[in-house]
Amino acid sequence: GAVVSQHPSWVICKSGTSVKIECRSLDFQATTMFWYRQFPKQSLMLMATSNEGSKATYEQGVEKDKFLINHASLTLSTLTVTSAHPEDSSFYICSARSVTNQPQHFGDGTRLSIL
Amino acid sequence: AQTVTQSQPEMSVQEAETVTLSCTYDTSESDYYLFWYKQPPSRQMILVIRQEAYKQQNATENRFSVNFQKAAKSFSLKISDSQLGDAAMYFCAYRSYGYGGSQGNLIFGKGTKLSVKP
Repeated sequence: GAVVSQHPSWVICKSGTSVKIECRSLDFQATTMFWYRQFPKQSLMLMATSNEGSKATYEQGVEKDKFLINHASLTLSTLTVTSAHPEDSSFYICSARSVTNQPQHFGDGTRLSIL
Repeated sequence: AQTVTQSQPEMSVQEAETVTLSCTYDTSESDYYLFWYKQPPSRQMILVIRQEAYKQQNATENRFSVNFQKAAKSFSLKISDSQLGDAAMYFCAYRSYGYGGSQGNLIFGKGTKLSVKP
């Protein structure tokens, strides 16, 4: 089956640093990748959608300068949280899809803790 | 805009029994997909079952089946012969049939936490 690898699974860093999260599709080409944020005991909230080689489309209220998304290849997308602060602490999940009529496959998520 | 509503924050079922999780949605579109995802404590999102709106036949996957009522915009999940491993958060999700760009992203309900009692 389709596998999406997300790394790191857990990161703790100091306030003010930048953190990069990688999302890789291991056995398929991901035309579209999605980044979600999930607060404790809440649902997934879409942050942005990225198509390979194009700029990401951000959802309303998501700061594009804070959450930098790059989808430079068909197997890799990265989310960089710039100048992270404690309020950015959350669970971030990526998903990838090969073509439009196929389901999204999710990574295992990244728990980000900003001290 | 489409919305997904799960009215049961928590549900409980006895092992080996059957439980039904409710989901309703609102949309003006005629073609779309509906999904049920399972999120165990590990927080990995696992696709349980998928339904295309144009199909009248309800989807089934082993012990999991759906009751899709398009006119009522209802999409419930039935879990038969519940097992301890079924304990998790279950999210209902809607996806447009659109193509390209940000179309076709998933819209999730708030989830239902299912507990399975031994």
